Amino acid sequence: QSVLTQPPSVSATPGQTVTISCSGGSSNIGNNRVSWYQQLPGTAPRVLIYENNKRPSGIPDRFSGSKSGTSATLGITGLQTGDEADYYCATWDSRLSAGVFGGGTKVTVL
Amino acid sequence: EVQLVESGGGLVQPGRSLRLSCSASGFTFDNYAMHWVRKAPGKGLEWVSGIGWSSYSTGYADAVKGRFTISRDNAKNSLYLQMNSLRVEDTALYYCVKDTLNVVGAMGGFDYWGQGILVTVSS
Repeated sequence: QSVLTQPPSVSATPGQTVTISCSGGSSNIGNNRVSWYQQLPGTAPRVLIYENNKRPSGIPDRFSGSKSGTSATLGITGLQTGDEADYYCATWDSRLSAGVFGGGTKVTVL
Repeated sequence: EVQLVESGGGLVQPGRSLRLSCSASGFTFDNYAMHWVRKAPGKGLEWVSGIGWSSYSTGYADAVKGRFTISRDNAKNSLYLQMNSLRVEDTALYYCVKDTLNVVGAMGGFDYWGQGILVTVSS
């Protein structure tokens, strides 16, 4: 049972927009930075969003991150077949003094 | 180009030890916190441990606290994970990752990942 709660799966057709939620508490998301990762099958994860809403160079602006209170959201616009992957949120938990990941969300492009 | 190369994995019996190493290049190593993240078969990503730029601050997941020790040698641009009393449930692909910030508790995000090294704990 992860400290951060993500939906197990989301699906949409190409071109649509999907959002993935990450719900936590005041000891983690509420007072710490959130990051988001994409993991394609057989590859190492890559960062999509760091420090809540910053996008690394090379990551398309179709990907966006936001945070409000104790929840964070990853948005993907203009969904593409290549976006089929597992997505994870992560943050620091001040009460646990540990990093934590969400359980992951599988995105399926119909 | 930033590179993180893990080594030291393999097959080990329960209760034994293993030491993972990560060689870093392409960035100023002692400016950033570093972490280990693992992925067990069929499961999600799990943060294992992190260490600040100066080694002053460290953190461990409850699942490994007291058994694993993280360390770094800034002169050698290297990160380590000493894993003792290994359990079957420690079987996973272990990733060396670079933080965007320099303090482990700040955890801005993991902007570079190694390819991972497999650790298999089995009798």
